[in-house]
Amino acid sequence: GNSVTQMEGPVTLSEEAFLTINCTYTATGYPSLFWYVQYPGEGLQLLLKATKADDKGSNKGFEATYRKETTSFHLEKGSVQVSDSAVYFCALSPAGNQFYFGTGTSLTVIP
Amino acid sequence: DTAVSQTPKYLVTQMGNDKSIKCEQNLGHDTMYWYKQDSKKFLKIMFSYNNKELIINETVPNRFSPKSPDKAHLNLHINSLELGDSAVYFCASSSGRNTEAFFGQGTRLTVV
Repeated sequence: GNSVTQMEGPVTLSEEAFLTINCTYTATGYPSLFWYVQYPGEGLQLLLKATKADDKGSNKGFEATYRKETTSFHLEKGSVQVSDSAVYFCALSPAGNQFYFGTGTSLTVIP
Repeated sequence: DTAVSQTPKYLVTQMGNDKSIKCEQNLGHDTMYWYKQDSKKFLKIMFSYNNKELIINETVPNRFSPKSPDKAHLNLHINSLELGDSAVYFCASSSGRNTEAFFGQGTRLTVV
């Protein structure tokens, strides 16, 4: 079956700290992988994606690499800002018509 | 232009009432979804429609009925609302393999 396991939160970091949010997946075939971000009171926005093994998705200083051998898609950012405080969701889509989400990781960045 | 729009944004209603949430997408996507997000932010797929046909119907009480009048719209009707239905409901759409889903802003439903 298809599923996503995401690092539990909440995560609290100081501004300019390094961020890693772990995500591993189980999937049939070769899914596309995504990271979404949800700011308070808003819907989910795509942060980045990768559609095949070894692809690196990047956006706004965030990066994640599609690792087929470890079935992982960990999210990283070198220096977080207060404005990065949000809930982050890892997701996979096997064929583009269904999406499986992790449980979400709440990040709070303090000045 | 909003890509995926839902109305209303907030909905407060009494137990036992019937309510509807509307969703429209102007992206030309073939597939639309309804998700429920609980208070712990967990996202659960409820329904998925492809070209107006139901393709995913997860274990959801039959008080919830989706309706897709055309490819750009997917509405959610809820009968006999219960306290446990309180949540944020998200509509989303997507188009094919290797593409992301686009989400609406959500409808916060509170049943009192």
